[in-house]
Amino acid sequence: AQKVTQAQTEISVVEKEDVTLDCVYETRDTTYYLFWYKQPPSGELVFLIRRNSFDEQNEISGRYSWNFQKSTSSFNFTITASQVVDSAVYFCALRGIIQGAQKLVFGQGTRLTINP
Amino acid sequence: DAGITQSPRYKITETGRQVTLMCHQTWSHSYMFWYRQDLGHGLRLIYYSAAADITDKGEVPDGYVVSRSKTENFPLTLESATRSQTSVYFCASTLGRGQGPREQYFGPGTRLTVT
Repeated sequence: AQKVTQAQTEISVVEKEDVTLDCVYETRDTTYYLFWYKQPPSGELVFLIRRNSFDEQNEISGRYSWNFQKSTSSFNFTITASQVVDSAVYFCALRGIIQGAQKLVFGQGTRLTINP
Repeated sequence: DAGITQSPRYKITETGRQVTLMCHQTWSHSYMFWYRQDLGHGLRLIYYSAAADITDKGEVPDGYVVSRSKTENFPLTLESATRSQTSVYFCASTLGRGQGPREQYFGPGTRLTVT
């Protein structure tokens, strides 16, 4: 079975602080894909990043960075110099190659609040 | 480019009524999905479709029916709504097999309240 755990239910920081959102996953697949989505207060789900299991390079996009470590089955997300607009619920998700099925398994989400 | 749309955006219905939530995408994506989002549960897959006339159950399919006669549409029907089906429903789509794994793109959601 596949599972995604986001142990941090809520995080609250002051603007300009760095914050890391944790994601731990479980899968027996050798090839799989990991995703992060953002859900701002307006409610839509916004795709942020996709990472393949065979590519362990970390990625940086502006203030966002992702640390993928297969050894610990983690795919953590760091926001540097956080801003109020980063306030949202963030979801980590896992997709494995299961007979072609493209089903995602989501974590329960981390609600991030950036206080001015 | 409209992308993926859902209608209605908000719906209040009574227990026992039949309700249909609509989903339409303009990308010609093969795969379409229905999720429900509830506090404490994140997003859970209800049904998905790999192509027109091909559908399969997800994690929580009971009480729901889907159909997909056209690639671009994927309606979700609650045959006899119950209060436990009060939720926010998201439709999503993505490219199909042979086109590489891709992220799913989500519609804006439908907030359904069953009284």
